[in-house]
Amino acid sequence: GAGVSQTPSNKVTEKGKYVELRCDPISGHTALYWYRQSLGQGPEFLIYFQGTGAADDSGLPNDRFFAVRPEGSVSTLKIQRTERGDSAVYLCASSLYNSGTDTQYFGPGTRLTVL
Amino acid sequence: GEDVEQSLFLSVREGDSSVINCTYTDSSSTYLYWYKQEPGAGLQLLTYIFSNMDMKQDQRLTVLLNKKDKHLSLRIADTQTGDSAIYFCAESIGYKLSFGAGTTVTVRA
Repeated sequence: GAGVSQTPSNKVTEKGKYVELRCDPISGHTALYWYRQSLGQGPEFLIYFQGTGAADDSGLPNDRFFAVRPEGSVSTLKIQRTERGDSAVYLCASSLYNSGTDTQYFGPGTRLTVL
Repeated sequence: GEDVEQSLFLSVREGDSSVINCTYTDSSSTYLYWYKQEPGAGLQLLTYIFSNMDMKQDQRLTVLLNKKDKHLSLRIADTQTGDSAIYFCAESIGYKLSFGAGTTVTVRA
């Protein structure tokens, strides 16, 4: 595709529910990243995939959060037993490689609201 | 994480220059970035500078880097109403980006 796409654009859920957020990276990009942006803050790193494997998940806040990228393209961020503090914009980015010199291109984000 | 710091707000008159400042802490950062975020939109990469450079100019944008002081600035010449947005400074340590909290730029007529 022309850019990174994320679905849904908005998700409202109730405390305790399970949610899945999807990211479609730019075609051909091997590296994929998830960030979380809370209100009034900059994005914070959650997890990084190189191909199908999670190379660095050090930013995931706790074990309620999990992400997969089974075929090395689309990724899904999964949140179990959602809490009100999980409310934020979840941003996905992709880059061609992961050399640190490759620009990360961001999607529009999914705004998650936990009631 | 707030290893990257920015002032929160900037108000500028249309046609004037805007200067947004940023300080970072990790001297091993390879690249430093400026991203723009408009309401309801994702992050748009504006420009970046490699850590061994002092300055980079790209049309109306000028990036200055003082590596000794770990200070980065973005100058926007001839600021327009379409430049109203939140601007994020980010440092890269390998593949990981660390962002500041963003500077909200308001352009007034």
